[in-house]
Amino acid sequence: AQKITQTQPGMFVQEKEAVTLDCTYDTSDQSYGLFWYKQPSSGEMIFLIYQGSYDEQNATEGRYSLNFQKARKSANLVISASQLGDSAMYFCAMREALSGSARQLTFGSGTQLTVLP
Amino acid sequence: GAGVSQSPSNKVTEKGKDVELRCDPISGHTALYWYRQRLGQGLEFLIYFQGNSAPDKSGLPSDRFSAERTGESVSTLTIQRTQQEDSAVYLCASSLGVGRQPQHFGDGTRLSIL
Repeated sequence: AQKITQTQPGMFVQEKEAVTLDCTYDTSDQSYGLFWYKQPSSGEMIFLIYQGSYDEQNATEGRYSLNFQKARKSANLVISASQLGDSAMYFCAMREALSGSARQLTFGSGTQLTVLP
Repeated sequence: GAGVSQSPSNKVTEKGKDVELRCDPISGHTALYWYRQRLGQGLEFLIYFQGNSAPDKSGLPSDRFSAERTGESVSTLTIQRTQQEDSAVYLCASSLGVGRQPQHFGDGTRLSIL
């Protein structure tokens, strides 16, 4: 089974509107972390936001927030007030604390976000 | 610079040749990772180094792939007898540790096998 599932290969949003990028995950660990990265066309991977499985509040970082629903195993990224520069590929990733290696990130297949002017 | 540095940025080579990719992590970062990203896909974990511990090689796809790291410094990823399916972007990342610490990525080496 896929550990990280991103069901939206591509998304479009109008500039200044909010957009939600979906991510569901599969783990039997109680302790894990979820990360979102942005990859512009230039190729670099930019860390955006982190949510720990024991964090009581949803993570926020500027215009980025994470809608964490633990029981549903989802960690959707919300981008508010979209900007043209937000156009990029977005990856959801998980680090599990107990299963397998405790170190590497397991990535989803990504969502290509296009912000329209 | 302050970020993860990878070289070369691009490498084109003939099938069957060996290639060596270099990664210079952020100073002070004890953990170093190599990932592979095929065109239009997510990242696949290859290998992980943590300080002087034995590396986690569980992601290496074949024995043609190997990597070294001396202490907490530079790492090299070597691919022997390259095949066309090795064409991909190879990304290196480093972090202060595990847990909440994010991995910081280099710009990658784009490897093309002719």
